[in-house]
Amino acid sequence: DAKTTQPPSMDCAEGRAANLPCNHSTISGNEYVYWYRQIHSQGPQYIIHGLKNNETNEMASLIITEDRKSSTLILPHATLRDTAVYYCIVRVAGSGYALNFGKGTSLLVTP
Amino acid sequence: DAGVTQSPTHLIKTRGQQVTLRCSPKSGHDTVSWYQQALGQGPQFIFQYYEEEERQRGNFPDRFSGHQFPNYSSELNVNALLLGDSALYLCASSLDGTIDEQYFGPGTRLTVT
Repeated sequence: DAKTTQPPSMDCAEGRAANLPCNHSTISGNEYVYWYRQIHSQGPQYIIHGLKNNETNEMASLIITEDRKSSTLILPHATLRDTAVYYCIVRVAGSGYALNFGKGTSLLVTP
Repeated sequence: DAGVTQSPTHLIKTRGQQVTLRCSPKSGHDTVSWYQQALGQGPQFIFQYYEEEERQRGNFPDRFSGHQFPNYSSELNVNALLLGDSALYLCASSLDGTIDEQYFGPGTRLTVT
């Protein structure tokens, strides 16, 4: 699996968009970008994943650059409940046995 | 609520003791994976069970062992506990041995003194 780089922490004001970046410059053509988050004292929660096209669901949007070397997770209207650690993971869909979590980005949403 | 349950919620043990943690997967799921999460770190893969067999193991010693029962529930056993085993232990369930849609439980917080 390709290695990912995320900033250790970010702040966002409540109601504003939170844009969480992830670098994955060694990503292979068949590797997807997955995002999970972990709210304090809970297990990780799947958010979204994509290959090369932008994706959107009820939780967030995923923007992947054309060269696929980086991506951004967008929470369009952040709430206090979005305060969590966000993990960007790159892997081949349908393969492997484990999710390789790094340290992620700790997002603090403030009132 | 993802439907994965773990017990107990918290546990305190002494060095050298043995511990057993339990996990019930989400309804309909047949694959269980275990992760260890030390404070301030991301979860680290311990092993995965599918069809009652260990399919893959991460970089963990043999002191860590597991079992999966016919009803797909699973146990994680850790022998000869070390202070460094203090962590949050997470169970995740999925379907058909894949991890594309993996649901995590709330974890068991183990403290070794």
